Amino acid sequence: DSGVTQTPKHLITATGQRVTLRCSPRSGDLSVYWYQQSLDQGLQFLIQYYNGEERAKGNILERFSAQQFPDLHSELNLSSLELGDSALYFCASSAGGRGNTEAFFGQGTRLTVV
Amino acid sequence: GIQVEQSPPDLILQEGANSTLRCNFSDSVNNLQWFHQNPWGQLINLFYIPSGTKQNGRLSATTVATERYSLLYISSSQTTDSGVYFCAAHTGGGNKLTFGTGTQLKVEL
Repeated sequence: DSGVTQTPKHLITATGQRVTLRCSPRSGDLSVYWYQQSLDQGLQFLIQYYNGEERAKGNILERFSAQQFPDLHSELNLSSLELGDSALYFCASSAGGRGNTEAFFGQGTRLTVV
Repeated sequence: GIQVEQSPPDLILQEGANSTLRCNFSDSVNNLQWFHQNPWGQLINLFYIPSGTKQNGRLSATTVATERYSLLYISSSQTTDSGVYFCAAHTGGGNKLTFGTGTQLKVEL
């Protein structure tokens, strides 16, 4: 158990809908990262928050947004879903904010858009 | 950004065999991690190893930062070692981990 908790584990939804993925980081970790794993793109970095503030942005679509709350949990919102958004979404946490400390990954949320 | 390449892409072993997986990276790193993604999709931390050598049971890893590569050794492989092994690197120019494309390992009886 990595200590990073993601919910839900599985999600099936229709095109055009909106979903929210939730992540609780390891105790004491201030950074939360979101990654997307699809068959054709591999593991891609989406966005990072550090202590409530957006710290870095990757290949995140405009239809996607995220936030980190005062209790440090994070949510990834995906809207106007398309079939191509079907993927495994991972949250990771680390103690530091610069990517040079060990990152631990949650179990992932498997999103299927039908 | 940093490029991370892994080899071989696929590997089939008989149970009990040893193997070496390689990760090359294009820039100096201050974080290098190895992960095992099991058949259920979980990403399991194996090593945090920006330099040097570490061992954990049947697994060990070595990173030679000056030559920009890392090796993961699996000894006496078991069927539960099957899955995809990823290395991921971080360089000072950004905050993210960049993942390689992985080595798909299958261990057969």
